[in-house]
Amino acid sequence: RKEVEQDPGPFNVPEGATVAFNCTYSNSASQSFFWYRQDCRKEPKLLMSVYSSGNEDGRFTAQLNRASQYISLLIRDSKLSDSATYLCAVSLNTGNQFYFGTGTSLTVIP
Amino acid sequence: DTAVSQTPKYLVTQMGNDKSIKCEQNLGHDTMYWYKQDSKKFLKIMFSYNNKELIINETVPNRFSPKSPDKAHLNLHINSLELGDSAVYFCASSQGGLAAQETQYFGPGTRLLVL
Repeated sequence: RKEVEQDPGPFNVPEGATVAFNCTYSNSASQSFFWYRQDCRKEPKLLMSVYSSGNEDGRFTAQLNRASQYISLLIRDSKLSDSATYLCAVSLNTGNQFYFGTGTSLTVIP
Repeated sequence: DTAVSQTPKYLVTQMGNDKSIKCEQNLGHDTMYWYKQDSKKFLKIMFSYNNKELIINETVPNRFSPKSPDKAHLNLHINSLELGDSAVYFCASSQGGLAAQETQYFGPGTRLLVL
């Protein structure tokens, strides 16, 4: 079983739509959680960390549900420039064990 | 200036050859990593180095040998290349030892194709 599972999509949404991605993790000892964005043929870049209380950065909201072992990313008012692959990542805070999901592909359509 | 740089950007080679990929970071970070991203876009950590010491090796074949001459550099040498080694290899760095809690900065990737 993979440490982190994501729906690969693709998600095709119109501009202005709200879209949500979920990511489940298998190890209940996971301590830190992140969302990364990866553009086509580019490297992953941190979008936001995910805190226990949930956190928001502009149009992006990240949530953590420890009981159900998932994290989510909500994008409001989608822009064309949001088109990318979104990778979730979790870590155990021990030995630098860091696991990425396979990514969810998002295309925002004009 | 590029924070994390990798060379070469593209690498096409024959099976059985030995090749190296270089990585340098100018962020003053203590920890560096190598990741492999396969054709299905699955990004998997291979190695992690903290202050020139290996601290993780995620069941990578011993044909892969990381070398860290100093904390700003982490090179990856691959012996006897196989078709299945074809992938994009990303170097990354983070500030301290507990990188699990910190942002990782990725290099642009090296696209390796083994023929």
